[in-house]
This record gives sequence, C-alpha cells and structure tokens, in this order.
Amino acid sequence: EPEVTQTPSHQVTQMGQEVILRCVPISNHLYFYWYRQILGQKVEFLVSFYNNEISEKSEIFDDQFSVERPDGSNFTLKIRSTKLEDSAMYFCASRGDNEKLFFGSGTQLSVL
Amino acid sequence: GENVEQHPSTLSVQEGDSAVIKCTYSDSASNYFPWYKQELGKGPQLIIDIRSNVGEKKDQRIAVTLNKTAKHFSLHITETQPEDSAVYFCAASNVGRRALTFGSGTRLQVQP
Repeated sequence: EPEVTQTPSHQVTQMGQEVILRCVPISNHLYFYWYRQILGQKVEFLVSFYNNEISEKSEIFDDQFSVERPDGSNFTLKIRSTKLEDSAMYFCASRGDNEKLFFGSGTQLSVL
Repeated sequence: GENVEQHPSTLSVQEGDSAVIKCTYSDSASNYFPWYKQELGKGPQLIIDIRSNVGEKKDQRIAVTLNKTAKHFSLHITETQPEDSAVYFCAASNVGRRALTFGSGTRLQVQP
C-alpha cells in the first residue's frame, strides 16, 4: 500500500540552527501538508501546498518556516533558526483528488 | 476559523464493550469529518470519514454519525479489542478551501 515517508525519524539540533525535514508524498497525490504535534497535544496545521505554491498557512507558520518541492517526489519543511518551542513531532501528509489525507510517521524534532 | 472540541480526553472500557467519542465543530461551512487513530510513535491513520451529505457511515466495528444541525459528530466502536487501544482524533474541514482542524484527542484503553 502506498505511504507517505518521512526522514529523518528523529532530529536533534541546537537552538538557532537550521533544520530541513524531508517527506516523500504518495506518488500520484497533488496536495501536500505539514502538521505538527507537541507532546500530548493536538495535531496542528502548519501549511498546505498545491501546484508549487502555498495554498494556506496557519499563524504558526511564520517567516522562520518555508516549504519546497525541489523535485517531482520530495516535499521539504525548513526551519531557518530553530527555537526551543519548535520541539515537536512534525507530520507530512498528502492527498489526491479526494479529501482523504494520509500522514507519514513523523519526524521528532528536539531543539536543545 | 474552525474549532473542534473532543471529549472525553480519556476513555477506559472492558474488552467487548462499546466506546463512543464525541466531537463538536464551530464552522457551519465544514463538510468533511474524518477520524484518525494514532498509535504510539506513529502518524495518524485514517480509519473512517463522513461527508456532510450523509448522517451515518459504518465500516465493520466502527461507525460515525453526524448531526449537522447541532454541529456534532461521533465515533462508535463496538466489540472493542485490546488492539483498539490508541489515541483517536476527530477532525473537520471545508474540503477544497481549508485544511483539517483536529480535536484534542481521546486516549482509549481497552482492558482485556
């Protein structure tokens, strides 16, 4: 069964460093998303991406965040200068023409 | 924007009993309501969904009901099994316009 894959599964970084989280969405999907989940809390929307541009973003997704689809398969989330409060599990998700959203297993980001 | 409230936050049932989780939403324009199951260390997995043009949907032991007038929807799991133990999230969206907004989650524990 096709699945969304994310790398790395764990990322530890120092405060102020840049991190790039990587995702390979399901191959025929057109809509891509990043969500995050702080430990024990709800899953929060960050950004959606369609047709090579951001279609929606939340107030969490400030100037420190950016997304990119550098080639036909990868979808990345960059955090330019990480803060302690960026520590969370980051989930990539994708969907095709219908509304069903499929999530990857996540990248656990720890900012020290 | 959309706000989704979910309760209870924790639910413990005996194996074989039924479990019911309830959610309310605020945006009357929302028309899609999925439920996700999240096991420890994994991403949310879509288990069932419903669109606003139907009131109920069933898939084996799980069912979802929707009351558009009251703006609430529920997940019903019958004949619970220990492997049903997980965190369950409800979500809502206006498909094609806004991303999913998640509830705060329900930790379901099925006691053998």
